[in-house]
Amino acid sequence: NAGVMQNPRHLVRRRGQEARLRCSPMKGHSHVYWYRQLPEEGLKFMVYLQKENIIDESGMPKERFSAEFPKEGPSILRIQQVVRGDSAAYFCASSPGAGQFNSPLHFGNGTRLTVT
Amino acid sequence: AQKITQTQPGMFVQEKEAVTLDCTYDTSDQSYGLFWYKQPSSGEMIFLIYQGSYDEQNATEGRYSLNFQKARKSANLVISASQLGDSAMYFCAMREGGTSYGKLTFGQGTILTVHP
Repeated sequence: NAGVMQNPRHLVRRRGQEARLRCSPMKGHSHVYWYRQLPEEGLKFMVYLQKENIIDESGMPKERFSAEFPKEGPSILRIQQVVRGDSAAYFCASSPGAGQFNSPLHFGNGTRLTVT
Repeated sequence: AQKITQTQPGMFVQEKEAVTLDCTYDTSDQSYGLFWYKQPSSGEMIFLIYQGSYDEQNATEGRYSLNFQKARKSANLVISASQLGDSAMYFCAMREGGTSYGKLTFGQGTILTVHP
């Protein structure tokens, strides 16, 4: 049973370019969460999505960042006009549903974004 | 206010000894869950153990146990018989019952180093 798949594993972008990070949840999971981790820090919640719906984007920067989880295909975290401060590890996690309170989030291996 | 506080930036332990990693939390919810994750240097997030707020017994999973003190709002992770492979960053996280979905809030983490 494949786990959460994220790609690319590493992404290098120049300032001003766009970054697209992809996440395929575990089979049977319909809930996706994106987190950002700066070096030597914990994971900060960014956005929570179900298929075709953004449920909570309270942790998402107001500008340049967007996320989607279409009916078909992976979830995408998009960062437009990247700046050096966007350099971080971005983790995607999935869960089968919000009703299973004791269910852990299953994380992918992350995408390490470096902005030069 | 911090929801999850891990006061130990770094901990050292001798191989085969036990170690306790501290975690305190802040919530006004009666229903909540506490999770511990391990992040080795390779970067992936590995779920270790879960404790529910209504669980009367402390959770255990192999060499991991959770010292849950509800009145003190602490959920310390105990690793027994430490191994070199336990060297990693450890994160405490909480899911609050008031939310209608399953996001986790993470602490800053504790870096554990196991010495031979």
